[in-house]
Amino acid sequence: SQKIEQNSEALNIQEGKTATLTCNYTNYSPAYLQWYRQDPGRGPVFLLLIRENEKEKRKERLKVTFDTTLKQSLFHITASQPADSATYLCALDMKSNTGKLIFGQGTTLQVKP
Amino acid sequence: GAGVSQSPSNKVTEKGKDVELRCDPISGHTALYWYRQSLGQGLEFLIYFQGNSAPDKSGLPSDRFSAERTGGSVSTLTIQRTQQEDSAVYLCASSLSSRGAGELFFGEGSRLTVL
Repeated sequence: SQKIEQNSEALNIQEGKTATLTCNYTNYSPAYLQWYRQDPGRGPVFLLLIRENEKEKRKERLKVTFDTTLKQSLFHITASQPADSATYLCALDMKSNTGKLIFGQGTTLQVKP
Repeated sequence: GAGVSQSPSNKVTEKGKDVELRCDPISGHTALYWYRQSLGQGLEFLIYFQGNSAPDKSGLPSDRFSAERTGGSVSTLTIQRTQQEDSAVYLCASSLSSRGAGELFFGEGSRLTVL
């Protein structure tokens, strides 16, 4: 069956370090992969989108990689700050021309000062 | 408004009652999604509307759940004969793109508590 996996355990890092979050998927062939940030009690907010023919995408301190062979995306936050503490969700499109997006369960990042 | 608006923000109901949750998407957005998020969990896909196409209802957990989108804009998610396991935050999102290439804009959600 189709599955999206993100680390269920919270990631705790020290301020200034690089945070790396993982999104693995099986039995999908997504054309696009998106990353969202969710703060407690709020709706998710879009961060980055990467296409299947793109290896890497950057936006300020954020970097996303997409390896369709490994069926994995890595999400990096460099020079992390306490304000980066949140839950990060990856989402895949179903590549069925419907535009339906399926989300992973998210990984909570805690950046300590 | 500028963003996706959902109402009510909080709803407490008794088991067996029907509830309606409303979503006002961003004007001009053709795609509209409903997701459910239980405490500490990820987003569970419920239903997806795209323009005038038939909605993708593959995520609705039971026939107690239904949704409609009138005039390609406002959407209502209806849960009949609510059960305690229906307690969750119901999130609505809209997108300008008809494919997965579009970013989703989420509302703040409707928190449903079934007693």
